[in-house]
Amino acid sequence: KNEVEQSPQNLTAQEGEFITINCSYSVGISALHWLQQHPGGGIVSLFMLSSGKKKHGRLIATINIQEKHSSLHITASHPRDSAVYICAVPAGGADGLTFGKGTHLIIQP
Amino acid sequence: DSGVTQTPKHLITATGQRVTLRCSPRSGDLSVYWYQQSLDQGLQFLIQYYNGEERAKGNILERFSAQQFPDLHSELNLSSLELGDSALYFCASSVGERNEQFFGPGTRLTVL
Repeated sequence: KNEVEQSPQNLTAQEGEFITINCSYSVGISALHWLQQHPGGGIVSLFMLSSGKKKHGRLIATINIQEKHSSLHITASHPRDSAVYICAVPAGGADGLTFGKGTHLIIQP
Repeated sequence: DSGVTQTPKHLITATGQRVTLRCSPRSGDLSVYWYQQSLDQGLQFLIQYYNGEERAKGNILERFSAQQFPDLHSELNLSSLELGDSALYFCASSVGERNEQFFGPGTRLTVL
């Protein structure tokens, strides 16, 4: 079973700061998912990546397969980025996901 | 809007009852996944279907069952409900297997 660890659990930052959220997992994977969950509860898929780096707007995700580690970066953070960010990997042999506990991010104006 | 729909949005019921949650995947998606999010357990994978067939099981209780119909919509049946079954239930869909998953808005189940 894959264990997923995220850090930090909670992060409060000022608007404009560069944000980094880390994720490590215990078993080799085909791909890793970054998800965003807003206070209303909805979950949005941000990235699915299997190697290197992906960028969408102000969000950047990187993965190091050998080190079993991924990071999610937010540049020029904004209060609307406040949400829970969740890292997830395939659950063993299944395509269903095993989730980290999430990072609760608050960006203050 | 992910294109995945779930009904109902909210459901309040009593212990011992049975409920059915419904999910319609994005147009063209063949895989459907069910997840449970509770305060104490966090997000957990329950079960996956691909083109009508069960593909994988996660932490799904024996009181719970699911199916995917020929039109690809899926239903999650929860029976003999207990207080601890109160949670958000999400459905997600993907084009095939091992693809990006798109989540529905969830069904919030409250068992009283």
